[in-house]
Amino acid sequence: QKEVEQNSGPLSVPEGAIASLNCTYSDRGSQSFFWYRQYSGKSPELIMSIYSNGDKEDGRFTAQLNKASQYVSLLIRDSQPSDSATYLCAVELITQGGSEKLVFGKGTKLTVNP
Amino acid sequence: DTAVSQTPKYLVTQMGNDKSIKCEQNLGHDTMYWYKQDSKKFLKIMFSYNNKELIINETVPNRFSPKSPDKAHLNLHINSLELGDSAVYFCASSQGWGLENTGELFFGEGSRLTVL
Repeated sequence: QKEVEQNSGPLSVPEGAIASLNCTYSDRGSQSFFWYRQYSGKSPELIMSIYSNGDKEDGRFTAQLNKASQYVSLLIRDSQPSDSATYLCAVELITQGGSEKLVFGKGTKLTVNP
Repeated sequence: DTAVSQTPKYLVTQMGNDKSIKCEQNLGHDTMYWYKQDSKKFLKIMFSYNNKELIINETVPNRFSPKSPDKAHLNLHINSLELGDSAVYFCASSQGWGLENTGELFFGEGSRLTVL
């Protein structure tokens, strides 16, 4: 089983709609979860982090975490064309040597149509 | 001031050559990383250093050799380049992990390597 899985998309939504991005992970011991946004030709940038079960809201973005189901999601409300990017789910995993590393999913490409 | 800077931004070279990519961060972070992003945009960790000490070495060919002269710098040297090495290599840094640290990564702009 892959460590972090995302629907690769692409996902296309009209402007003003809610975009829903999903991610599952394999390691039950993971404690830290992140969503990064990557515009074409640019580097990833952090947009949300979540550590506890439930919802975390930041402006138009809501991250949701369910550790029992090993599931993380990102909702983007009132989607804008400027939200068009690839969204990467990232999960903290512990290596066999006891170090932490951040493992990324393959990303979901989102297009918001005007 | 750029927080995490990498040079060069673009590299085009022939198979069999050796090349290096340099990375510097001015955030005062303890941990630095190299990630590789392939043509399908999959971002995969290669190495991690904490205070100049190698702490993560994923299953990367030994043609790839990272070096960290101090905690603000992490370089990547690649010997005998192969076609499959073509990718974007991202350097990143973080304050590390622990009760007060989130593990948030700050990425450089990436170095696009093309092997012909």
